[in-house]
Amino acid sequence: NAGVTQTPKFRVLKTGQSMTLLCAQDMNHEYMYWYRQDPGMGLRLIHYSVGEGTTAKGEVPDGYNVSRLKKQNFLLGLESAAPSQTSVYFCASRDRAYEQYFGPGTRLTVT
Amino acid sequence: AQSVAQPEDQVNVAEGNPLTVKCTYSVSGNPYLFWYVQYPNRGLQFLLKYITGDNLVKGSYGFEAEFNKSQTSFHLKKPSALVSDSALYFCAVTSRGSTLGRLYFGRGTQLTVWP
Repeated sequence: NAGVTQTPKFRVLKTGQSMTLLCAQDMNHEYMYWYRQDPGMGLRLIHYSVGEGTTAKGEVPDGYNVSRLKKQNFLLGLESAAPSQTSVYFCASRDRAYEQYFGPGTRLTVT
Repeated sequence: AQSVAQPEDQVNVAEGNPLTVKCTYSVSGNPYLFWYVQYPNRGLQFLLKYITGDNLVKGSYGFEAEFNKSQTSFHLKKPSALVSDSALYFCAVTSRGSTLGRLYFGRGTQLTVWP
């Protein structure tokens, strides 16, 4: 039981490049979330999904897109990376008792 | 609107002393409250939660938290701090009955325990 995994762990992009972050969970959770963590800002919700095939915007969705084609996977895409997207990205899934389980994070630097 | 305040960016305590990390919240309806811990270069790990029942909640690694409805607080405590407790601590809240179950996080409190 791996819990929540994220790939890649680190990435450096140039401004304007695109990339996709992959999140996978093996707990059969319906709800999944993407957050970004910046110093002194806590965790801010980018997008979330309440089930396979459904996604919705969080509080900081601009510049990101997501897809949930399979229940266990939640993808976060950056179409044209900007330096402001330099951050640590965390994926999480939620059980029925509202507890969220977090992945180890992806550290992204955009130059 | 839901929100969480962690009024202290940093808390410093000596090993063996009791520690408290403060959290206050604002939520529509009844709250579900959580504490998570983050060690350097790691994801967030669940410590404990309050859903209902006893106001004193016990969690992992000897931590506990007290739910105080009148003060809308959920402070994290430990009777005797360890150097290994040094980490970033987040308080989070959601509203009971929320179909989305979205967590609202505080900005985090850096706990440093010195030998």
